[in-house]
Amino acid sequence: GEDVEQSLFLSVREGDSSVINCTYTDSSSTYLYWYKQEPGAGLQLLTYIFSNMDMKQDQRLTVLLNKKDKHLSLRIADTQTGDSAIYFCAESTNTGFQKLVFGTGTRLLVSP
Amino acid sequence: DTEVTQTPKHLVMGMTNKKSLKCEQHMGHRAMYWYKQKAKKPPELMFVYSYEKLSINESVPSRFSPECPNSSLLNLHLHALQPEDSALYLCASSQDGNGGDLEQFFGPGTRLTVL
Repeated sequence: GEDVEQSLFLSVREGDSSVINCTYTDSSSTYLYWYKQEPGAGLQLLTYIFSNMDMKQDQRLTVLLNKKDKHLSLRIADTQTGDSAIYFCAESTNTGFQKLVFGTGTRLLVSP
Repeated sequence: DTEVTQTPKHLVMGMTNKKSLKCEQHMGHRAMYWYKQKAKKPPELMFVYSYEKLSINESVPSRFSPECPNSSLLNLHLHALQPEDSALYLCASSQDGNGGDLEQFFGPGTRLTVL
């Protein structure tokens, strides 16, 4: 199956860390991604992780992957009000084309 | 130029109208995608073009007709739509759509309302 689930909503204060979680069911996933969508806009790729890695750090972003539990998380350090957006995890498999299956999306609200 | 542009930004149409959505990229990408995003839902893949050939059609109704006239342009022709087709239509492109092609670049979308 290709179900990708996320919690709906997360609220944090500016300067705190945010952790957004994602669970997926397709064990053949090759790459897992985090996208950000601001209101009325398209999607922006934030980071990705290959399925044989368990952690990736990119400036304020840390991605953790637990392949056994099919659990992916995105930690944003020092969260800013500009980080308020909807965050989608997505998975793709090693087929010929980059067919992305998106998670349900988490709305992050950062308050001053 | 690392941008995908889409026109129009907003479109309101009746169920008997024919309209087209347009998408353009000048990054030299050879794979282009149409997604549909309903309110408060994730994007869902509709079509993929690779090297101007339709490679994936995710069982989309025939009232949606994609066209890729050249490697920079992607159109979505709309005819006899239903109100439930109202959504944000997102276009994306990637280098060539093959394994190892890691990033899809998304346009801002066309918000479509069908009356």
